[in-house]
Amino acid sequence: GQQVMQIPQYQHVQEGEDFTTYCNSSTTLSNIQWYKQRPGGHPVFLIQLVKSGEVKKQKRLTFQFGEAKKNSSLHITATQTTDVGTYFCAELFQGAQKLVFGQGTRLTINP
Amino acid sequence: DTAVSQTPKYLVTQMGNDKSIKCEQNLGHDTMYWYKQDSKKFLKIMFSYNNKELIINETVPNRFSPKSPDKAHLNLHINSLELGDSAVYFCASSPRNGLGAQHFGDGTRLSIL
Repeated sequence: GQQVMQIPQYQHVQEGEDFTTYCNSSTTLSNIQWYKQRPGGHPVFLIQLVKSGEVKKQKRLTFQFGEAKKNSSLHITATQTTDVGTYFCAELFQGAQKLVFGQGTRLTINP
Repeated sequence: DTAVSQTPKYLVTQMGNDKSIKCEQNLGHDTMYWYKQDSKKFLKIMFSYNNKELIINETVPNRFSPKSPDKAHLNLHINSLELGDSAVYFCASSPRNGLGAQHFGDGTRLSIL
């Protein structure tokens, strides 16, 4: 079915270490969105990627869209305790007019 | 001002009961959604409405009935609640049908006893 595969499912790091989550699809993605959900909170939109090979940065966060538009990644440099949460990628299916979310990567941080 | 607000925040009820969750957005968006998030954090779309018109119904049991009286409101009524309905239900909205950032409410944590 329509699904983006997201890995890893869990990641535990020491504060200050880097973190990366990956999103893969067997089909070409029209665009991809990333969301962050803090524990007990709701998903919050981070960014949308549309162009092949696109790279966008938000402070310590770097988002990439693959050249073939079949994968995307979110990299956090020097994690802080405020980065704790679950990070979701979401694929936009324009034909079906809906977002399909990946399984999420849950990030925990040892201070 | 809360952009997407849903009530109640918590709902604890017995199996077999009927309950409703309400959602309102003040962002002027055309499209609203209901999502279900299970205990493993998997987030799955249930319904979407665009300007009061049902666009997506993702094979949800017909015990779930959404209603959109106007484009700023989307409610969810659930009949004959079952144990498997326990989850967090999120309302969301976006500017255009399926496009643009989605803005989520705080969620309704439904627990079935």
